[in-house]
Amino acid sequence: ELKVEQNPLFLSMQEGKNYTIYCNYSTTSDRLYWYRQDPGKSLESLFVLLSNGAVKQEGRLMASLDTKARLSTLHITAAVHDLSATYFCAVDKNRDDKIIFGKGTRLHILP
Amino acid sequence: DAGVIQSPRHEVTEMGQEVTLRCKPISGHNSLFWYRQTMMRGLELLIYFNNNVPIDDSGMPEDRFSAKMPNASFSTLKIQPSEPRDSAVYFCASSFLRQETQYFGPGTRLLVL
Repeated sequence: ELKVEQNPLFLSMQEGKNYTIYCNYSTTSDRLYWYRQDPGKSLESLFVLLSNGAVKQEGRLMASLDTKARLSTLHITAAVHDLSATYFCAVDKNRDDKIIFGKGTRLHILP
Repeated sequence: DAGVIQSPRHEVTEMGQEVTLRCKPISGHNSLFWYRQTMMRGLELLIYFNNNVPIDDSGMPEDRFSAKMPNASFSTLKIQPSEPRDSAVYFCASSFLRQETQYFGPGTRLLVL
């Protein structure tokens, strides 16, 4: 059974600091997604990671994938208040037609 | 493009009533997904369609839930009869291909009293 675990589930940090959100999954996957959700809003796609060693960056966010460790990270550099949101990773197991989301990491950045 | 369109945006109904949620995917997208989000269970994939055909409905909670996609530009998710535990935000998402980035609609907030 495919399981996806994110940690931490809640993170409060100061502006200007760096931090990393972790996404572990239990079985082999075909791709991994990161999404952002603002309170009361829908989900917005951030990254799609397809292969081992993939790294993608957009502004202060950088995502990476290690398929051997079954781990993806979302790194935040010099956080700013606008990045406050809930971040979800999701793992897609094409063979089984399953897309499983993690519980989300609620990120609160203090000005 | 207007993005994925969902209606209604909010729905309040009484237990036992039929509820129909509607979704218009982005034009040209071949895959459509229905999700449910609750505090307790997080985000769950209910069902997805590929080229209007339901591929995997194993996430549909029970027989009270049904989904259709009669054409490439319209899908419905129906709950009959509704129960208070169905209260959630229901999202529809579409993608060009199943494995590509999904674009989510604004969601329908359902409250069953």
